[in-house]
Amino acid sequence: GDSVTQMEGPVTLSEEAFLTINCTYTATGYPSLFWYVQYPGEGLQLLLKATKADDKGSNKGFEATYRKETTSFHLEKGSVQVSDSAVYFCALSKAGTALIFGKGTTLSVSS
Amino acid sequence: DSGVTQTPKHLITATGQRVTLRCSPRSGDLSVYWYQQSLDQGLQFLIQYYNGEERAKGNILERFSAQQFPDLHSELNLSSLELGDSALYFCASSVEQAAGNTIYFGEGSWLTVV
Repeated sequence: GDSVTQMEGPVTLSEEAFLTINCTYTATGYPSLFWYVQYPGEGLQLLLKATKADDKGSNKGFEATYRKETTSFHLEKGSVQVSDSAVYFCALSKAGTALIFGKGTTLSVSS
Repeated sequence: DSGVTQTPKHLITATGQRVTLRCSPRSGDLSVYWYQQSLDQGLQFLIQYYNGEERAKGNILERFSAQQFPDLHSELNLSSLELGDSALYFCASSVEQAAGNTIYFGEGSWLTVV
């Protein structure tokens, strides 16, 4: 079945460092891809999404590009802040189906 | 604020008991989803409803059931509770079922079974 694989965490960075969180997927058809973020004690918030190959989703300085040839949707940010500390989830969905999530990657940013 | 409202936010109950979690989707959203988040299993999809009808089932136990009412709110019923059912239960909603539609999550209901 369809699945999402994320890099294991935790990821620990200093403020202003470059961030990459790897995400690859396995799916039939043409899924849409998402990154959700969960801040401590809160629910999940959509960070960005891409609905077709070569689309780039971006929000709050984060970016991810839908790469069909490598079945990837890696999350990047050029300069992280302490406030970016959270758990990041990669997910996919297809028409009529619920989101399928990866296991999540915990990011910890120190000043 | 996502617009998805879940109650209660926290619940502590004993093994063997039954609880009901309630969800009000965003205004206009027809699809409701329930997810369970635990440390060992991550985010697991339980069940989806669309405009009152069950549309998809995930890893939902037979002891669990759900429904979506005519006013589109949904309830997740958990019975014969076990210690392992302790988790954060999320409700989410979306306008329809198209793949690119954003699914909005509530803040979750923390269930602790003692």
